[in-house]
Amino acid sequence: AQSVTQLGSHVSVSEGALVLLRCNYSSSVPPYLFWYVQYPNQGLQLLLKYTTGATLVKGINGFEAEFKKSETSFHLTKPSAHMSDAAEYFCAVSPSGGYNKLIFGAGTRLAVHP
Amino acid sequence: NAGVMQNPRHLVRRRGQEARLRCSPMKGHSHVYWYRQLPEEGLKFMVYLQKENIIDESGMPKERFSAEFPKEGPSILRIQQVVRGDSAAYFCASSPPAGGVQSEQFFGPGTRLTVL
Repeated sequence: AQSVTQLGSHVSVSEGALVLLRCNYSSSVPPYLFWYVQYPNQGLQLLLKYTTGATLVKGINGFEAEFKKSETSFHLTKPSAHMSDAAEYFCAVSPSGGYNKLIFGAGTRLAVHP
Repeated sequence: NAGVMQNPRHLVRRRGQEARLRCSPMKGHSHVYWYRQLPEEGLKFMVYLQKENIIDESGMPKERFSAEFPKEGPSILRIQQVVRGDSAAYFCASSPPAGGVQSEQFFGPGTRLTVL
């Protein structure tokens, strides 16, 4: 069975600092991986996804993530945090070769302080 | 170009009542997914539907919960005889007919159900 683990339910950074949100997955087949962002009282918005090909994936709002098969990781980074990045971030995995049934991690709440 | 619409946004029910949650997918989308988010947890898959068909309901509780996506009209998630443990945010997502793993799911704003 596939699962997703997000290390750290809360992360706090200073404005301008590096953002690093960790995600590890378990999967018996090559995974498709996603990062979503959720702002308060809103739905989820796709930040980026990895399916095949280049392992460094660039997304919206300056975020990127690197798929590392040997580490079963898909950590999300952003070089310089903005106040507007404060939100909850979810990592998700989808079984390959099928439809988009997403399995989510528990989420990481990012706080950005001045 | 409207996104995925869900209504109501907030729903309050007393124990034993029925809750009906509606989801209108994006225009041209024929795949709908329902997820539940309990407080302080990630989203959990409940059911995947195409028009008039339930494709995967492996995440649905065995009793009291049902879902449909008729040929015309929105998808409905129905919870009968609600209990306090049903209090959660329920999200709907849709994807285009091409489907497949690489099709992005577009999420609605969610319905927050509170059971008193």
